[in-house]
Amino acid sequence: GDSVTQMEGPVTLSEEAFLTINCTYTATGYPSLFWYVQYPGEGLQLLLKATKADDKGSNKGFEATYRKETTSFHLEKGSVQVSDSAVYFCALGGFQKLVFGTGTRLLVSP
Amino acid sequence: GAVVSQHPSWVICKSGTSVKIECRSLDFQATTMFWYRQFPKQSLMLMATSNEGSKATYEQGVEKDKFLINHASLTLSTLTVTSAHPEDSSFYICSASTRDRANNSPLHFGNGTRLTVT
Repeated sequence: GDSVTQMEGPVTLSEEAFLTINCTYTATGYPSLFWYVQYPGEGLQLLLKATKADDKGSNKGFEATYRKETTSFHLEKGSVQVSDSAVYFCALGGFQKLVFGTGTRLLVSP
Repeated sequence: GAVVSQHPSWVICKSGTSVKIECRSLDFQATTMFWYRQFPKQSLMLMATSNEGSKATYEQGVEKDKFLINHASLTLSTLTVTSAHPEDSSFYICSASTRDRANNSPLHFGNGTRLTVT
């Protein structure tokens, strides 16, 4: 079945550092890919998405490109802030039924 | 923006008792709600899909008699864990989507409920 693999955390960075959180997937067909973020004490929020190969999703300085050849959707940000500290979930599927990765906790220190 | 309220945020119960978790869409009508479960260091796993006014559809391996789901209105779905046991201890999270934008509407998630069965 479909599955998502993300790097284990926590990822610990200093403010203004470059961020990469790896995500790879296995799926039948051509699913949409998503990154969700969960800030402390809150629910999951959609961060960005890509619906087809080579699409780049972007939001709040975060980017991820749908790479069919490597079945990847790595999340990147050029300069992280303390406020980016959260748990990030990679997911695939349709907009309603999603398969999630295990989540990666990001800790950004000043 | 759209808000989904989930209650309680955490609950501790004794083995053998039942626990009800509520999921409400506060400013939109949710024709479909989803219930997920997350064990420590594991993915969110879809348990069931509930549509307003009809029976829930359960994922393979999820006991429908143990995890009772009711979606009686367009703004409320409940998950009842019946005769809870310690192995049911987990993080339960709901999400909701709307009718009109069903094909393109992202899911809106609740804050989750941490259930601990002693």
